[in-house]
Amino acid sequence: DSGVTQTPKHLITATGQRVTLRCSPRSGDLSVYWYQQSLDQGLQFLIQYYNGEERAKGNILERFSAQQFPDLHSELNLSSLELGDSALYFCASSARPGQGHTGELFFGEGSRLTVL
Amino acid sequence: EDQVTQSPEALRLQEGESSSLNCSYTVSGLRGLFWYRQDPGKGPEFLFTLYSAGEEKEKERLKATLTKKESFLHITAPKPEDSATYLCAVQSLQNAGNMLTFGGGTRLMVKP
Repeated sequence: DSGVTQTPKHLITATGQRVTLRCSPRSGDLSVYWYQQSLDQGLQFLIQYYNGEERAKGNILERFSAQQFPDLHSELNLSSLELGDSALYFCASSARPGQGHTGELFFGEGSRLTVL
Repeated sequence: EDQVTQSPEALRLQEGESSSLNCSYTVSGLRGLFWYRQDPGKGPEFLFTLYSAGEEKEKERLKATLTKKESFLHITAPKPEDSATYLCAVQSLQNAGNMLTFGGGTRLMVKP
């Protein structure tokens, strides 16, 4: 158990709909990362938040948005869903490098999104 | 742009048959190279971090090594429970965040 919690585990929805994925980081971790994993693309970085603020942005579509709340949990919002958005969405958290932490990310079990 | 390429894409071994997985990378200043194990339908599980060429890390039947251009994950006398996808990732000194750039993975299957 990595200590990162993601809900829901599975989600089935229709094209054009909007969904929200939720992530609770490990206790004490300030950084949250979102990744998308599809069969043909591997793990793709979407976005990172650090202590409530956006820190880095990857290949995130304009239809997708995220935020990190004061209690450090994060939500990834996916709207106007298309068939190609079907994938596993992972959240990860990390401690700040230094002070005994070596920079690794700890991943949750993922949310499997199926768009029909 | 940081790039990570893993080979082979898939590897079938007999139990006890040792082998190596390759991870080639290009990065604008390496902060760290990471190895993860991922079981089907699960999140990646952290294995090792390597920081500089010549560094080696070991854990049970796994040993990771690092050069300036590639990393190897050596698997000695594998068992069926070692079957999984092994992911390599780099973390760049140039990025504002600490995100990881992943390779496509090597799917390892160990037959009894």
